[in-house]
Amino acid sequence: GQSLEQPSEVTAVEGAIVQINCTYQTSGFYGLSWYQQHDGGAPTFLSYNGLDGLEETGRFSSFLSRSDSYGYLLLQELQMKDSASYFCAVDHTNAGKSTFGDGTTLTVKP
Amino acid sequence: DTGVSQNPRHKITKRGQNVTFRCDPISEHNRLYWYRQTLGQGPEFLTYFQNEAQLEKSRLLSDRFSAERPKGSFSTLEIQRTEQGDSAMYLCASSSFGKSGNTIYFGEGSWLTVV
Repeated sequence: GQSLEQPSEVTAVEGAIVQINCTYQTSGFYGLSWYQQHDGGAPTFLSYNGLDGLEETGRFSSFLSRSDSYGYLLLQELQMKDSASYFCAVDHTNAGKSTFGDGTTLTVKP
Repeated sequence: DTGVSQNPRHKITKRGQNVTFRCDPISEHNRLYWYRQTLGQGPEFLTYFQNEAQLEKSRLLSDRFSAERPKGSFSTLEIQRTEQGDSAMYLCASSSFGKSGNTIYFGEGSWLTVV
């Protein structure tokens, strides 16, 4: 079957750095994506890793190790507006179905 | 680019009634997806179209669910004989394949409450 594991909750203070881990067991792996979702809103794309290593996009970075079936999202210089749920998702092919984790709720405190 | 548009945004229906949701994807995207999300869970894949062809369908999608994309543009998701367990947010998404893989752009979702 398919499973993705990520912590259910993380709390950090403004200006800090936080890392959200994701481990996966899936059949068919093409890449790992990360999405942000604010309460009542739609998931929005943050980052994608198709190959091992680090991808950086502004304050957000994402890392993938295919051999370890592991990835993480790194958020730097945390702001209050970063309080949201963060989902990792496995793309099984270059199209079609993606399997999402249950999400990590990040709370940023002053 | 107006983004992915879904309507209605909210629907309350009585158990046993049929409901239909519409999705208008980003115009240049040929891939369209339906996902379902309940509180505290990630989006669950329901089905996927490339142009007008329905290429993948989850086993979660019972016979009461049907999706169409007649001309490869907008899509509809119909749920027949709704049950309380169908209460969820139904998310439509579209995508194009590029440097960032298969980046999925979600709509704001259609909330369904079955009473």
